[in-house]
Amino acid sequence: DAGIIQSPKHEVTEMGQTVTLRCEPIFGHNFLFWYRDTFVQGLELLSYFRSRSIIDNAGMPTERFSAERPDGSFSTLKIQPAEQGDSAVYVCASRDRWTGKETQYFGPGTRLLVL
Amino acid sequence: QQQVKQSPQSLIVQKGGISIINCAYENTAFDYFPWYQQFPGKGPALLIAIRPDVSEKKEGRFTISFNKSAKQFSLHIMDSQPGDSATYFCAATNFNKFYFGSGTKLNVKP
Repeated sequence: DAGIIQSPKHEVTEMGQTVTLRCEPIFGHNFLFWYRDTFVQGLELLSYFRSRSIIDNAGMPTERFSAERPDGSFSTLKIQPAEQGDSAVYVCASRDRWTGKETQYFGPGTRLLVL
Repeated sequence: QQQVKQSPQSLIVQKGGISIINCAYENTAFDYFPWYQQFPGKGPALLIAIRPDVSEKKEGRFTISFNKSAKQFSLHIMDSQPGDSATYFCAATNFNKFYFGSGTKLNVKP
């Protein structure tokens, strides 16, 4: 039973570049969540999807951040252009529509460093 | 504005001792309070959780104490073991939105 797959594991980029992070949720999971861990405030919810629809993206820090889930399976989080303050670990989570809201499964995260 | 405040940031406990991590929240709409355990290189994994109509929940060596009037809840790890060394996050949720504490790095000394 494969867990959540996030790629890349590490990303180092320069200010002004475009960063695209990818998340493959557990197969069949309808809900997908993007979090950011800045190690100061813990995990912050950026946005989440039910199937291919964004339900809430109020946590996106700026318009430089966008998330998509075009076919309801994998999702991408794009930062364009990246800034130094975006350096953090970006964590994806998913859950099945039939399980309780507490049963979110988390991926290992992508560690982003913006120079 | 942090919805859930967690303390301490780090904790060192001797093997066999009790580890205690505390969290506080403000929003009375929260209706579920999970704790997550995270090992290096892994995502957080659900450890134990409680609902506000219960004051205590115990699963093995892990116990959540919940004080609704004080809007506080805590995780107690009895007979702490070196294998418990990890980062622990508390969270509070309503609907699908999880709000996490800033994490506590626990180190259990052998």
